[in-house]
Amino acid sequence: EDKVVQSPLSLVVHEGDTVTLNCSYEVTNFRSLLWYKQEKKAPTFLFMLTSSGIEKKSGRLSSILDKKELSSILNITATQTGDSAIYLCAGRSNDYKLSFGAGTTVTVRA
Amino acid sequence: SQTIHQWPATLVQPVGSPLSLECTVEGTSNPNLYWYRQAAGRGLQLLFYSVGIGQISSEVPQNLSASRPQDRQFILSSKKLLLSDSGFYLCAWSGGGGQPQHFGDGTRLSIL
Repeated sequence: EDKVVQSPLSLVVHEGDTVTLNCSYEVTNFRSLLWYKQEKKAPTFLFMLTSSGIEKKSGRLSSILDKKELSSILNITATQTGDSAIYLCAGRSNDYKLSFGAGTTVTVRA
Repeated sequence: SQTIHQWPATLVQPVGSPLSLECTVEGTSNPNLYWYRQAAGRGLQLLFYSVGIGQISSEVPQNLSASRPQDRQFILSSKKLLLSDSGFYLCAWSGGGGQPQHFGDGTRLSIL
């Protein structure tokens, strides 16, 4: 059975801090690693990583995949209160199936 | 652009009652469609996915069923709800070729 583990489960930071979220995976026939941000309702797509060692960036968020270590990290720099959310990591094994981790809850205090 | 609609947003049902949750996608054709359940403090669990009309794959044995009567419509059903069916149900769609999945706003289902 595929397994995705995220750490930490939760963290509290102050505005301006940098946050690093971890995701490790054991996914049969691994194809890609996806990150989502979930505020109150729908998870919104952040990144999809297929190749090891290539960083993807979007504003203050960035992510990188390490296929040798079967892991990925998501970085958020200069955090803002709007970054408060649950961040979900998922491993894709084929065109359809995503296996999700339990998520990391990030709280950014003003 | 593509949009996904899911309703109702919240639902309170008694044990033993039937269930029907609906999801529709606009702005694309022949999408892959998915139903997930998210329990509190846990990740999303894939329940069903569909690659075309009438084609349903079930990921876990359970008290629920899914149907796809039209290309962009996906329905989650139950004949008799159990207490354990409570949770947050999310519908998602994706294009082919391993594209990312995009989620609807979800239905929060409470069983009394």
